[in-house]
Amino acid sequence: DQQVKQNSPSLSVQEGRISILNCDYTNSMFDYFLWYKKYPAEGPTFLISISSIKDKNEDGRFTVFLNKSAKHLSLHIVPSQPGDSAVYFCAASAGNNDMRFGAGTRLTVKP
Amino acid sequence: KAGVTQTPRYLIKTRGQQVTLSCSPISGHRSVSWYQQTPGQGLQFLFEYFSETQRNKGNFPGRFSGRQFSNSRSEMNVSTLELGDSALYLCASSLGGPAYEQYFGPGTRLTVT
Repeated sequence: DQQVKQNSPSLSVQEGRISILNCDYTNSMFDYFLWYKKYPAEGPTFLISISSIKDKNEDGRFTVFLNKSAKHLSLHIVPSQPGDSAVYFCAASAGNNDMRFGAGTRLTVKP
Repeated sequence: KAGVTQTPRYLIKTRGQQVTLSCSPISGHRSVSWYQQTPGQGLQFLFEYFSETQRNKGNFPGRFSGRQFSNSRSEMNVSTLELGDSALYLCASSLGGPAYEQYFGPGTRLTVT
């Protein structure tokens, strides 16, 4: 059951521009959301998170926006850098002991 | 602090065989979760262990099982392997559980022929 969906398998942007990665979820019980970044041959690494009591969380070049009514969150990367090229996973939890991940979006930042 | 380690990194098995994968969490982390990653499916949650107890389980058949030892190291076992079990198996550790920030290992690439 795909409770977390990342409908864009890939995204390509120019260096210096904004990257916007989107994620939709179906379970209204989800109350904590995270983004992970994955490079080839490595495990995912935590990037940024947001709880359902907030609608925005910012960490340097990375900002996550949460729209609870639309069950949608997005990750903005500004400005994008070639080193940001990776697969980005959106994840959500309902406060229980499992985490649901999306299928991932492969971001390519061109120099 | 050493990261999450997984052994082996690569494995080739034949249909019908069984396999055991190992995961050593970050020191002090008591929660270990296992995920299966396949193209187009993202990370599928298998199960989570905390202090040697399985707290949650994903939608996988009983052929997939796991356990956790008193030192928090965890093993995952897959019996009667099928071709569709070919995937990257990732282990993640955290202080409190999957709902918290998790630290992932590099994964074990399992190929079933």
